[in-house]
Amino acid sequence: DTAVSQTPKYLVTQMGNDKSIKCEQNLGHDTMYWYKQDSKKFLKIMFSYNNKELIINETVPNRFSPKSPDKAHLNLHINSLELGDSAVYFCASSQETGASVGNQPQHFGDGTRLSIL
Amino acid sequence: AQKVTQAQTEISVVEKEDVTLDCVYETRDTTYYLFWYKQPPSGELVFLIRRNSFDEQNEISGRYSWNFQKSTSSFNFTITASQVVDSAVYFCALSEANFNKFYFGSGTKLNVKP
Repeated sequence: DTAVSQTPKYLVTQMGNDKSIKCEQNLGHDTMYWYKQDSKKFLKIMFSYNNKELIINETVPNRFSPKSPDKAHLNLHINSLELGDSAVYFCASSQETGASVGNQPQHFGDGTRLSIL
Repeated sequence: AQKVTQAQTEISVVEKEDVTLDCVYETRDTTYYLFWYKQPPSGELVFLIRRNSFDEQNEISGRYSWNFQKSTSSFNFTITASQVVDSAVYFCALSEANFNKFYFGSGTKLNVKP
């Protein structure tokens, strides 16, 4: 069973369009994240949600709007896509507190490769 | 501020050589966690190890070993007898105690040639 699944795996679209990436985790974790990995492989956190509440927003443009309908889902909606949005987007989840986690605190999805034409 | 530095952008070795990937971190927290992840060419992020700030014991797992030294704020990763399958980008990461935020280094690309 996949722990953190995100769809789609690949997304090719034109500049100016609006698109969404879905993420679901079946681990019962309290915290979920979105990361962006650019072409130079630099991995940077975008958002962090705990129990459906936004706790970290790393100065991401307003065009990016995360939505957490429940603890197991954190979807990412992007409006008016720009060329610079081309990247791999990773969803992840973890337990709330360090004391309660096992050795692997953060589980990643396989990534969504977004390409803007 | 929290920061993770992986000064080695890319390393190339020949199979069976030992290689060490450096990681230096910066934090004001007394409780924090350090991690290494592997990203093979297929793109997924593979968890390798987690270390707690209060546990400086070094760890060995097969051909992998990790050297955590708080005195130098380093958490280096050594692969002994490297293999072609070790070729990947390796990330060092740091998190706050509550895991609200993870900080990743810029990654070190390891090329192991046959």
